[in-house]
Amino acid sequence: NAGVTQTPKFQVLKTGQSMTLQCAQDMNHNSMYWYRQDPGMGLRLIYYSASEGTTDKGEVPNGYNVSRLNKREFSLRLESAAPSQTSVYFCATQSGTGGYRARGYTFGSGTRLTVV
Amino acid sequence: EDKVVQSPLSLVVHEGDTVTLNCSYEVTNFRSLLWYKQEKKAPTFLFMLTSSGIEKKSGRLSSILDKKELFSILNITATQTGDSAVYLCAFSGGGADGLTFGKGTHLIIQP
Repeated sequence: NAGVTQTPKFQVLKTGQSMTLQCAQDMNHNSMYWYRQDPGMGLRLIYYSASEGTTDKGEVPNGYNVSRLNKREFSLRLESAAPSQTSVYFCATQSGTGGYRARGYTFGSGTRLTVV
Repeated sequence: EDKVVQSPLSLVVHEGDTVTLNCSYEVTNFRSLLWYKQEKKAPTFLFMLTSSGIEKKSGRLSSILDKKELFSILNITATQTGDSAVYLCAFSGGGADGLTFGKGTHLIIQP
């Protein structure tokens, strides 16, 4: 049972290059999230998908796009990478059921992205 | 705008000490408050608090929520070097729109 799998684990991009971060879950969770974490900043929500077929902006969506390909997969795309997007990116899922769904969050192991 | 503020931002103590980490929040639709521990990789879940005044305990860690004063504390007693980590506080509005995190407290336990 892999849980939440993110690929790649590390990536270095040049300014202006594009790339897609992949996230896949085998937990049958409805909701999926992309967060970024910068030093001293906690985690900030980029985009989320409450259920298959829907996506919404979070706190810091500029410069990113997402695709909820199916229930299992939620990808994050940087069309033209900038140094300000250097960060650690976490994908998370949530079961989306039950009275206190917050307990059901599961995080992937992260992608460390450096834009030079 | 929803806000979660943690203090202190960093803390260095000696093994065996007791530490108290603070989390205050200003949110429009509170449902629960969560504490996570983050070492090198992904955050790992510690506690979820929904009711005021009820302490949650797990070994040497405990947490309590005050919904009237809008804060929570995380206590760690008899600290060990393995407790060194960033401790994150987050709130949930109960919907599917994600957690709002504080900036974290970086705790260092010296031998």
